[in-house]
Amino acid sequence: SQTIHQWPATLVQPVGSPLSLECTVEGTSNPNLYWYRQAAGRGLQLLFYSVGIGQISSEVPQNLSASRPQDRQFILSSKKLLLSDSGFYLCAWRDGLNTEAFFGQGTRLTVV
Amino acid sequence: TQLLEQSPQFLSIQEGENLTVYCNSSSVFSSLQWYRQEPGEGPVLLVTVVTGGEVKKLKRLTFQFGDARKDSSLHITAAQPGDTGLYLCAVLYSGGYNKLIFGAGTRLAVHP
Repeated sequence: SQTIHQWPATLVQPVGSPLSLECTVEGTSNPNLYWYRQAAGRGLQLLFYSVGIGQISSEVPQNLSASRPQDRQFILSSKKLLLSDSGFYLCAWRDGLNTEAFFGQGTRLTVV
Repeated sequence: TQLLEQSPQFLSIQEGENLTVYCNSSSVFSSLQWYRQEPGEGPVLLVTVVTGGEVKKLKRLTFQFGDARKDSSLHITAAQPGDTGLYLCAVLYSGGYNKLIFGAGTRLAVHP
């Protein structure tokens, strides 16, 4: 069966520090991968999605970037965090043939 | 403007009441999904509707896709505290139908 791992679960980082969040999927190949950010009590804002290795589509131009160095690995990064980067970050995958998306447990990021 | 408009934004009711939440758009979709999210976790798929006018039932939850495939509703009969959560609608949109977009959600609280 397929599983998705996202870490860390919580993170407190100072303003101006770098960020690296990692997401890996097991049990499937060539998944579509997604990074979302969720403000408290709000919906999911699509940040990046990827349909294959090295293919990244950016939805929100800001100081975040994403990379997909391997088929089942999706990384969200920042060189210098801002206070406004705080939030709940969710990674998701879906099979390109089906509509259902499966989410990781999320990372609660607090920038102080 | 949001691609998907969900209403109401918040709903607080007593156990046993009925409720309906809505997901509206000016765009036509080939399918629409409903997810439920509990605090600190990723969303989980409830249902996917595909055909205009389609009605799907999941125990006390009834989902309907509009005839024109632009909107959807979720009706809960005899709500229970376990129904508490954030209800999100989502569609695959553009980007080769790989971009998974969510509405802002309806936050439901059911009180005993």
